[in-house]
Parts: sequence; structure tokens; C-alpha cells
Amino acid sequence: AQSVTQLGSHVSVSEGALVLLRCNYSSSVPPYLFWYVQYPNQGLQLLLKYTTGATLVKGINGFEAEFKKSETSFHLTKPSAHMSDAAEYFCAVTMFSGGYNKLIFGAGTRLAVHP
Amino acid sequence: DGGITQSPKYLFRKEGQNVTLSCEQNLNHDAMYWYRQDPGQGLRLIYYSQIVNDFQKGDIAEGYSVSREKKESFPLTVTSAQKNPTAFYLCAVSDPGQGRTGELFFGEGSRLTVL
Repeated sequence: AQSVTQLGSHVSVSEGALVLLRCNYSSSVPPYLFWYVQYPNQGLQLLLKYTTGATLVKGINGFEAEFKKSETSFHLTKPSAHMSDAAEYFCAVTMFSGGYNKLIFGAGTRLAVHP
Repeated sequence: DGGITQSPKYLFRKEGQNVTLSCEQNLNHDAMYWYRQDPGQGLRLIYYSQIVNDFQKGDIAEGYSVSREKKESFPLTVTSAQKNPTAFYLCAVSDPGQGRTGELFFGEGSRLTVL
């Protein structure tokens, strides 16, 4: 069965520092992988996704993620954090069940950005 | 304007009352989902529906009910049997057929507080 593990429920960085949010998945088939961002009291917004092709995926707001099959990882990075990046981030993997695709989410990582 | 509309944004309920949360979409997607979000627990699936007049229980369906009489609407009722209903509720939609990625599009959420 597919599952997602996000290492670190809270990550704190200084403004301008590198952001690294970790995500590992388990899947018996080639996965579809996603990162979503959630600001307080709002829904989830898609940051980026990997389906096929290039393993380095670029998303909105300067974020990118690299699919590494050998490490079963899909870590999210941003070279320089901005105060507006403070939010909760969710990694997700697609599970194919009963003829349909469903998303399985990690527990989330809350990113704090300090001046 | 395409999108997913959840209402109300904030709702207060007394113990023993049923409440219904609305979710409407005009994206013409077949599948609709309800998630519950609690601090530190990520997203947990309550119910989902792949087509009109059909729906399935998710991981935490007890104390909840849904209906899917129209493609664009998927209301969630939180019944008095739900012992701890205070939470943030998220509605999502997807186009889940084979070959699709399972990507979800989320509404803005509804925050339910039981007094």
C-alpha cells in the first residue's frame, strides 16, 4: 500500500536561507507525487507535481522538487526563503484503487520563517 | 468563474445538533471528496464519490453522512453521533479516471466549532 512520510512536523528557517522539506513515499508502482501548500484557514493549493518525464520539477513561488526513485524521495526545496513562505506543506502520492486514483497525504510540515 | 465553493466558512454548533456543510463545483469533475483536518494530523478522508448517486466511506466516516444527487454538489452532514466534530473540513474534486494523476483541487474549507 502507498504511504507518505514527511520528516519533521515543524521546520524553522531564517529569511534568505535554504528551505528543505523532506518527503519519502512507498509505492509498488511508479508514483505520481505532489506538494501542496496551505495558508491559515484556507484550502490546499498545488505547488508542483511529478507525473512522468523530467525528475526535477519546478513549481510556483520558486519551489522545486526532485523525484529520486532510488531513494523513494520527493523533497521540496527553495534556495531563499521569504516571509510569505510561512505555511503548512503537504506531500502526497497517488494510490490506484478500484479503477480510480486517490491521493494519500503525509502529515504535513509547518514552515516558519524568521527575520 | 470556475471553482469549488464551500459554505459556510465558519459555523458554530451546539452539542446534539446536526449541521450540513455545502460543497459546490463547476469544474465538471466526476469525483468529490470530504476531508477532515485537525492540528498535527494532516488530512483524513471522510467520504468520497466517484459518480452521481454513489459514494464510499473513507477512513473516518463514523458520525458523518453525505449525498450525491447532482454532479456539482456533495454536501456533508455532521451528525450528533460524531463525538468530536470541531475541525476544519475541506472539500476537493478530481478527474479520477484511468490515466489521470489523481490531482485534487480544494475548496477554501469550513471551520466547525461545537460549543
